[in-house]
Amino acid sequence: SQQGEEDPQALSIQEGENATMNCSYKTSINNLQWYRQNSGRGLVHLILIRSNEREKHSGRLRVTLDTSKKSSSLLITASRAADTASYFCATDVETNAGKSTFGDGTTLTVKP
Amino acid sequence: NAGVMQNPRHLVRRRGQEARLRCSPMKGHSHVYWYRQLPEEGLKFMVYLQKENIIDESGMPKERFSAEFPKEGPSILRIQQVVRGDSAAYFCATSGGLNTEAFFGQGTRLTVV
Repeated sequence: SQQGEEDPQALSIQEGENATMNCSYKTSINNLQWYRQNSGRGLVHLILIRSNEREKHSGRLRVTLDTSKKSSSLLITASRAADTASYFCATDVETNAGKSTFGDGTTLTVKP
Repeated sequence: NAGVMQNPRHLVRRRGQEARLRCSPMKGHSHVYWYRQLPEEGLKFMVYLQKENIIDESGMPKERFSAEFPKEGPSILRIQQVVRGDSAAYFCATSGGLNTEAFFGQGTRLTVV
């Protein structure tokens, strides 16, 4: 089974609402990263959070990490239609942030 | 500062042909990672290279797949004798060092017909 698993698999909300996506993993990690992928496009790096950090913010994004529960969450506040995309968490077990294990993603749809 | 460049963006090959996918790192980046993404799935790590060296190929299929990152020029992912199951999006990511953010290219979508 996956090292990183996103939950839910799909999420549909109205513009202006908040979107929360969760990621669980199985083994101890060095870093956890969140990426966005628009349909048929490449990955955009959102946030990297290290194992000794608990929370990070970037604009409308807030990422938390709970190493005791082996879980992370990505919160997008005041969502926009342009936030419609797939969101992936990627865990780095080794001290190598380029070699990541990705989950299958959460597909977010934000309706105007 | 150009980002990670992959080409071609789309590649169609007949079964049995060879596919060559190129990845030019961001300026100053010497670490290259290749990933494969099947439809509706996340990315799966394939191989990690530094200049002229394969560091970790634990995700590479044992046969038909090879990768290189020569002293000059882009990194190349080569798939020989392609089969339909090789159809996927192939992404490369590059970074300036371990434990630093890796930036992804736009990917090459390989279709085997």
